[in-house]
Amino acid sequence: KQEVTQIPAALSVPEGENLVLNCSFTDSAIYNLQWFRQDPGKGLTSLLLIQSSQREQTSGRLNASLDKSSGRSTLYIAASQPGDSATYLCAVGPPNAGKSTFGDGTTLTVKP
Amino acid sequence: DAGVTQSPTHLIKTRGQQVTLRCSPKSGHDTVSWYQQALGQGPQFIFQYYEEEERQRGNFPDRFSGHQFPNYSSELNVNALLLGDSALYLCASSYSTDTQYFGPGTRLTVL
Repeated sequence: KQEVTQIPAALSVPEGENLVLNCSFTDSAIYNLQWFRQDPGKGLTSLLLIQSSQREQTSGRLNASLDKSSGRSTLYIAASQPGDSATYLCAVGPPNAGKSTFGDGTTLTVKP
Repeated sequence: DAGVTQSPTHLIKTRGQQVTLRCSPKSGHDTVSWYQQALGQGPQFIFQYYEEEERQRGNFPDRFSGHQFPNYSSELNVNALLLGDSALYLCASSYSTDTQYFGPGTRLTVL
C-alpha cells in the first residue's frame, strides 16, 4: 500500500525567503507525481506534474524534483511572496494510472 | 473552457439521508475520479469512472456509489449518511492517464 508523507506539516517564513517542501513515498513504482496548491476551503490547483521518467519540472518560481530510488520529491519555491500562502499537497500515481495517493500537505505562511 | 465544475457548492444533510453530488469534466476529458477530503487531511480516493464503468475503487463502503454518463459527466451518491461523511468532495477529470484537473469541490455537512 502506497503511503505519502509530507514534512513539515506547517511552515512560516518571511517574505523573500527561498524554501523547500518535502514529499516522501513508500512504493517507488509510481506513474507520476503531482504537486498541488489548495487555498482554504477551495479545490486543488495543479502546480507541476513529473512523469516517472523525468527528474524535475519548473514553472516560474517553482521547481519540483523527483528521486524515485529514494522515494522523495521536493518542491522548491524561490523568493516567496505572501500570495504563496496556502497548503501544498503532493500526490503519486500508480503504474496503472488509476487512483492517486495524497499526502496530508504542508501549510505555508509567508509573512510580509 | 469552463474547466471541471461541481454542484452544488455546499450541502447540509442529516444523518441517514441520501445525497447526490455532480461533476462535469473538463472538455475533452473521459475519466472522472472522486475524492473525499476531511478537514486537515489530504484527499482520499473514492473511485474512478471511465467509459461509464467503475475502473478503480478505494477503501470506501458500498454506501458510496457512482455513475458516469455518455457525456462523461458523473455523479457520486452516498446513502445512509453518517456524521463522518462530512467533508469536501472533490472531482477530478483527465484524458486517459494524463494530468488530473480538480474541480472546486462540494462541501457536505452532515448534522
